[in-house]
Amino acid sequence: GENVEQHPSTLSVQEGDSAVIKCTYSDSASNYFPWYKQELGKGPQLIIDIRSNVGEKKDQRIAVTLNKTAKHFSLHITETQPEDSAVYFCAASMTSYDKVIFGPGTSLSVIP
Amino acid sequence: NAGVTQTPKFQVLKTGQSMTLQCAQDMNHEYMSWYRQDPGMGLRLIHYSVGAGITDQGEVPNGYNVSRSTTEDFPLRLLSAAPSQTSVYFCASSYSNAEQPQHFGDGTRLSIL
Repeated sequence: GENVEQHPSTLSVQEGDSAVIKCTYSDSASNYFPWYKQELGKGPQLIIDIRSNVGEKKDQRIAVTLNKTAKHFSLHITETQPEDSAVYFCAASMTSYDKVIFGPGTSLSVIP
Repeated sequence: NAGVTQTPKFQVLKTGQSMTLQCAQDMNHEYMSWYRQDPGMGLRLIHYSVGAGITDQGEVPNGYNVSRSTTEDFPLRLLSAAPSQTSVYFCASSYSNAEQPQHFGDGTRLSIL
């Protein structure tokens, strides 16, 4: 079955710098890749997703890139702010209607 | 608009006890699901429902039961609590598919002694 790995497990950046979180997946049939942000004491929040027919997607300060050949995808956060501090999860599924497999998460700290 | 509401927020049980974790959503979503979150393991799907009266198993269903009598409510029952069920439990809803969580509750932190 699908396996999703995520790196790094922890990441600290200075406010205003960029942050990059990388994920790899094992099943070449996977075509849907959502990202979730989980703030302390809260449930995860879907922040952006990408499908295999697109190589990159942006939404204000966040962007996701996908390399299907290498089976990896990344989350990029620019101009980081303290409120970006959270745990970020990547995930993968074969289609937008299949079970989502989550990565183990990355704890991002933005230092003011 | 409350979204997805979970109760209780915290619970401590003794091994062998049973309990029900409550989940309610007010978005008229057909699809609802339960996940457990353990350190370093992301979220794992326990059970899900594609509509009232319909439920199915996820990745880790053993020890848990669900029912879906209304669109709004999707309770999770622990039949006989075990220490391995110590975890944080999240309920989620979705307008498109039970296995594509879009809106999560804030979780129930459960400890089994």
